[in-house]
Amino acid sequence: NAGVTQTPKFRILKIGQSMTLQCTQDMNHNYMYWYRQDPGMGLKLIYYSVGAGITDKGEVPNGYNVSRSTTEDFPLRLELAAPSQTSVYFCASTLGLAAYNEQFFGPGTRLTVL
Amino acid sequence: KQEVTQIPAALSVPEGENLVLNCSFTDSAIYNLQWFRQDPGKGLTSLLLIQSSQREQTSGRLNASLDKSSGRSTLYIAASQPGDSATYLCAVRPNAGKSTFGDGTTLTVKP
Repeated sequence: NAGVTQTPKFRILKIGQSMTLQCTQDMNHNYMYWYRQDPGMGLKLIYYSVGAGITDKGEVPNGYNVSRSTTEDFPLRLELAAPSQTSVYFCASTLGLAAYNEQFFGPGTRLTVL
Repeated sequence: KQEVTQIPAALSVPEGENLVLNCSFTDSAIYNLQWFRQDPGKGLTSLLLIQSSQREQTSGRLNASLDKSSGRSTLYIAASQPGDSATYLCAVRPNAGKSTFGDGTTLTVKP
């Protein structure tokens, strides 16, 4: 299994541009998450999904959108990029809500908005 | 709202020393607590997961404990090595499934 994969690894955007960060998992996990990590900080939840067709906001959803049309894919859309969105973005997944279910993380996308 | 604190923010120790990393949380109604390792510029690697019904978990030189009543978890690293240098994050998950992360402790092990 490849686990959780993310593309691209790096990206530089100009203010006002848009882009989609891709996330795919091949573990048949129901739950998927998008986090952002600012320098020296922990992770903050942007959006999450409990299954195909179901998404909900996390702690910091403004400026982002998500969709989940399949179990495997959970893309994150940035509209009208702003410098405040400069961060490292991590996608994660977990099988379900059982207490023994671990979260697995992708390698991250490092985004700079200039 | 759950708050997770990791103190200290940074720790430097000589090689071979045993050490303890701390994670405190404000709401004891948790489902599990997971410890991660993050190398510079990399993603998060899961180290240990402790379910709310458990008191500790062990993997090799790592031992994680959980005391829900006091809102604390510790990660014990035995006989530290330079390769253990990384940032260690803890994440607390309530029943609803949305984890809260601490800001991490950056560990440096000097040869």
